[in-house]
This record gives sequence, C-alpha cells and structure tokens, in this order.
Amino acid sequence: ILNVEQSPQSLHVQEGDSTNFTCSFPSSNFYALHWYRWETAKSPEALFVMTLNGDEKKKGRISATLNTKEGYSYLYIKGSQPEDSATYLCASTYFNKFYFGSGTKLNVKP
Amino acid sequence: EAQVTQNPRYLITVTGKKLTVTCSQNMNHEYMSWYRQDPGLGLRQIYYSMNVEVTDKGDVPEGYKVSRKEKRNFPLILESPSPNQTSLYFCASSLSFGAGANVLTFGAGSRLTVL
Repeated sequence: ILNVEQSPQSLHVQEGDSTNFTCSFPSSNFYALHWYRWETAKSPEALFVMTLNGDEKKKGRISATLNTKEGYSYLYIKGSQPEDSATYLCASTYFNKFYFGSGTKLNVKP
Repeated sequence: EAQVTQNPRYLITVTGKKLTVTCSQNMNHEYMSWYRQDPGLGLRQIYYSMNVEVTDKGDVPEGYKVSRKEKRNFPLILESPSPNQTSLYFCASSLSFGAGANVLTFGAGSRLTVL
C-alpha cells in the first residue's frame, strides 16, 4: 500500500486570497500524480495528471507542480472564489492501482 | 453524454442480504475500478479491471466480489454485507490504465447503509 498524504486537512480563506496545498507520495514508486476536485454531493472531477519531474500544469486560476525526486506536488489557486470551495484530492498511481490522499477541504468565504 | 452510471444511488439493507451495485460506462473504457470513501480516509480502491475478464484486488477487497463480462459493465457484489461495509462507493473508469496517466471518470456515487 502506498501512503499518500495531503496537507492541510482543511483551509478557510477569504475571497481573493491565493492558497496552496501539498500532496506527498513515495518517490520510489511513481507512475503518475493526479489531482481531482470534489464538490459536495457531486463526484470527483479530474484537474491534472502529471508524470515527469518538474511538470507544471495550469487551468485558469489553478496550477500544479510536481517533484518526483522528493515526492511532492503542490496545487495553487490564485485569487480564490467561493465557487472554488471543494475538497481537492490527489492520487498516486503504481502498478495498475490508484492511491488517494484524504483530501484538503477548501472553504472560500465571500 | 459520456458518463459512468451507478445504481442504486442510495440503499439501506440488513446484514447478510446479498446486494449488487451496478456500474456502466459508455466511453469504451478499458480500465474500471471501485472505491469506498469513509470519513477521514481517502478513496480506497476495492477492485479494478484492466479489461474484459481481467480483474484484480485493490487494497480493501475483503467482503466484495466483482465481474467484468462485458467492457461497459463492472458490478460490485456484496455477498453477505456487514455494518462495516456502510460507506460511500464510487465506480470510475479510464481509457486504459496507461501507465497510470489516464484520468478517471467517476460515477455519481452509491451511499450504502448496512444495518
């Protein structure tokens, strides 16, 4: 079993604040790193997949970076909006399986 | 519309009464998988299937069975449910495992309560 950890568990920010969270994974067993956005009462939706050390991905105000050598990925949200409120999940893949972290719950106050 | 469909969405049952949660995808995906989500824990993989007739255990397979007789369907079977299987279940699929780099498309989730 791969241990994937996310921090912080929860985050409360004001509208307009920029924020970031971390996903840590074992660097020795790595295929790819996924980020998903999970809104309450909905199903998780894919944000990014990264495979190479140094990868950076961007979608609007959200971006992510990957460091496979030290085993971490950062997710950044610039100028948070209330609609960004959700739980953000990361997952590492290895040998046909997905290993999810427990998520970071973001609450953006208007 | 491309989607993963799970049924039922909500189910309350009693210990020992066999049940099946169905999962169907219309995207011609090869890889399908089941997860359970419990408070404070991440999504944990129960079973996965690389393709038709190819299934394997995830990290928490005890008490569950699966089958993959057709590409589009991947039912989750609880032969004798117990209260510790009360959870939120998700089915997900991707084009293929693709060295882990193909994104998952999730179903809407099935909330199961075992009394």
